[in-house]
Amino acid sequence: ILNVEQSPQSLHVQEGDSTNFTCSFPSSNFYALHWYRWETAKSPEALFVMTLNGDEKKKGRISATLNTKEGYSYLYIKGSQPEDSATYLCAKYSSASKIIFGSGTRLSIRP
Amino acid sequence: DTAVSQTPKYLVTQMGNDKSIKCEQNLGHDTMYWYKQDSKKFLKIMFSYNNKELIINETVPNRFSPKSPDKAHLNLHINSLELGDSAVYFCASSPTGIEQYFGPGTRLTVT
Repeated sequence: ILNVEQSPQSLHVQEGDSTNFTCSFPSSNFYALHWYRWETAKSPEALFVMTLNGDEKKKGRISATLNTKEGYSYLYIKGSQPEDSATYLCAKYSSASKIIFGSGTRLSIRP
Repeated sequence: DTAVSQTPKYLVTQMGNDKSIKCEQNLGHDTMYWYKQDSKKFLKIMFSYNNKELIINETVPNRFSPKSPDKAHLNLHINSLELGDSAVYFCASSPTGIEQYFGPGTRLTVT
């Protein structure tokens, strides 16, 4: 993997269902991985910063895991709500100034 | 209070003009960034800057230059605007070099 890739590109989920999506990145030169939540017409907001292999972070119904050896991170949303509708971005940091963003997973929650 | 602000929010200008986008942060962060969101919605880092060092993404044309009058401001100046410069430009700041706080974005349209 040469770039940061996110899958799927878009996802439609029924309210109340749980879902997850993937961020894949080059495992070399790893410094940190960052997940952002980006609502339409707003700017990206930080969700999680992850630095260590095996890291697990949780904020409310949203959690994330990190595997730096194989180069992936999962984001999980439990019991999706309409307010979870947004684009979820991940960004791999090779240093404080070398940052590559994925193209995001656009999540839509159907009421 | 707005943490990271950008002006203007929208900028429409003609090819060949020179324009600036202003960015201010009141968070006391040492590092600021400029990103370009391209037509495929990717966020790409253009510059990172702290009071010691400017790091430029080598893919950024030298028509783009950041100017920092003080620690709280990092303005983006663009010379000889081209059609391909049309995009949304985001400013961000960071206390750690990892977690970033984004501005609301400036939509630049070059006609």
